Amino acid sequence: AQKVTQAQTEISVVEKEDVTLDCVYETRDTTYYLFWYKQPPSGELVFLIRRNSFDEQNEISGRYSWNFQKSTSSFNFTITASQVVDSAVYFCALSEALKGGDFDAGNMLTFGGGTRLMVKP
Amino acid sequence: NAGVTQTPKFQVLKTGQSMTLQCAQDMNHEYMSWYRQDPGMGLRLIHYSVGAGITDQGEVPNGYNVSRSTTEDFPLRLLSAAPSQTSVYFCASSSSVRRETQYFGPGTRLLVL
Repeated sequence: AQKVTQAQTEISVVEKEDVTLDCVYETRDTTYYLFWYKQPPSGELVFLIRRNSFDEQNEISGRYSWNFQKSTSSFNFTITASQVVDSAVYFCALSEALKGGDFDAGNMLTFGGGTRLMVKP
Repeated sequence: NAGVTQTPKFQVLKTGQSMTLQCAQDMNHEYMSWYRQDPGMGLRLIHYSVGAGITDQGEVPNGYNVSRSTTEDFPLRLLSAAPSQTSVYFCASSSSVRRETQYFGPGTRLLVL
């Protein structure tokens, strides 16, 4: 079974600080996808990024960047110059085929427990 | 394009009552699923559907039924509500089954007394 661990349950920073959210995963699949979702106080789940296991290039989107390292099974998320609007719970997730590796038969997202980020003004 | 919509937003039930949580998407997505979110546990898959007329069980299916008569709709039925089903329920959809990004609805908060 797959597993996603977000060891940091809660992080508090002051606005404009940089912050990194850690994500470590376990899987026996050779092909897999990793995701990050944001859950603001309003409660919805907002998709941030999807990365496949064959693409280890780091990605940057504005103030957000992601560091994927297969060697350490990690997919960390960094927010540069944090803002109050970044306050939310962030979830890392791993996609898994439900039936014998056959993705056409359905897949499941295995989520980490989430990291609550509080950015103070 | 409304995306994934869920109704109701909030519901209170008494133990033993039944109800249906509605989920609809207007993106012609093939794959739909239901997750529940409990504190500190992330989200867990309840049921999923790879297309109209096809459904299957996820990680925590007990106490729930689903059906998929159309591409757009994927209702979740609680047969006899229990306090352990107090949770936030999210419906998600993706354009195809194969590891495509799943987009989530706004959620339904359910309280079972």
